Parts: sequence; structure tokens; C-alpha cells
Amino acid sequence: TQLLEQSPQFLSIQEGENLTVYCNSSSVFSSLQWYRQEPGEGPVLLVTVVTGGEVKKLKRLTFQFGDARKDSSLHITAAQPGDTGLYLCAGAPGNQFYFGTGTSLTVIP
Amino acid sequence: NAGVTQTPKFQVLKTGQSMTLQCAQDMNHNSMYWYRQDPGMGLRLIYYSASEGTTDKGEVPNGYNVSRLNKREFSLRLESAAPSQTSVYFCASSPPGFTEAFFGQGTRLTVV
Repeated sequence: TQLLEQSPQFLSIQEGENLTVYCNSSSVFSSLQWYRQEPGEGPVLLVTVVTGGEVKKLKRLTFQFGDARKDSSLHITAAQPGDTGLYLCAGAPGNQFYFGTGTSLTVIP
Repeated sequence: NAGVTQTPKFQVLKTGQSMTLQCAQDMNHNSMYWYRQDPGMGLRLIYYSASEGTTDKGEVPNGYNVSRLNKREFSLRLESAAPSQTSVYFCASSPPGFTEAFFGQGTRLTVV
């Protein structure tokens, strides 16, 4: 089993719909990060959440860190085709980065 | 500002062949990582190096070796490639505090 489990694994929605992606672990993290990866490229950081219960917004994207700092969610409002990509959560217990299993999002025009 | 540079971008190997994937970063980061990415598995850590001269195993180290040549360079070696090592390999580096991982563009490796 992997340290960070994401759900759903695949998501295909129509433009304009809302969606939520989840990242869960049995371990406590000092912070969690969300990355977005496009085909043929490496992941790129979207946001870092640090405090339990923290909510951060990045335009139409809302990120939340669980109160117990074991889980996080990413909510996208009014999804657009440009949001299509692989979304990955990541955490660093100790001195290494671990990544989640990923959610592949397709937004259909 | 190149960031993290990986070579080669594509490679096809025959079973049993060896090869080294090269990675260099110009951001003066202490920590460097090698990951493999397979469908449905996200990114899995192969090896990491917290500083020059140190390396440690990650989640899936079997069949791989690494060398932290200096602060800039971290190479990954496959001594005897197997079809199960067909994957996309990413090198990354991070500054102190693990605030962000910076990635190269990846190496797509096929072992036939």
C-alpha cells in the first residue's frame, strides 16, 4: 500500500461541473502539497497547506487540509478544459517526498 | 535558468542491458530524488539523496543503483534491465524544508 491514497483515480466531467479530489493517509504530515502534471512534463506545484483545517484558494481551485493533518481535498468549481491533467498530492515525512496515487481529470468541452 | 535537466528523454533497451540516467540541477538544492511513474501508481520513490555523499532507498529500490556525484548531479543506473522497469523516470530536487519538489521533464524507458 502507498503512503498517500487518492480518489477517484479517474474523473471525466463536462465543462462547468464541480468536482472534488481526495488525498488520504494514516500518517500525520506537517504539510501536504498538490501538484498538477500535464502529458510529457514533470509535476508542477499548485499549493502547500500547512495548518490543520487550513483552506487555500487558487482562482477556481480550493484546497483544504484536514484537522488531523492526515488528509486533504482539492475542489474545482466550474471546471474548464484547461484543468485537464493529473493531480497529485505529496507529503514529506522525514527527508523524502512521497506522492499520492494520482487523479487523472478530463474536462470535456 | 535550466532547473532540473534529465537525459536522455527516450530510451529503448533490450532485457539484460545496462544504462545510466543522468540528472543535474542548478538550484543549489541539497536534496535530490529519483521516481518512477506507472499508470495508476502515481510517483514512486526509488532512491533519494539528502545531501552530497549520501543516498538512501525509497519505496522501490530493487534493480537500481544511484550515485550522487556532486551537489548538482544524481544519476540512476539499471545494471541489468528487465521489462518490469519499463516506465517513465523523473528526477527531482528540493530546497531545505521540503517546500517544493522541482522536476525534470522525465525519461521514457522501454525494456523489450
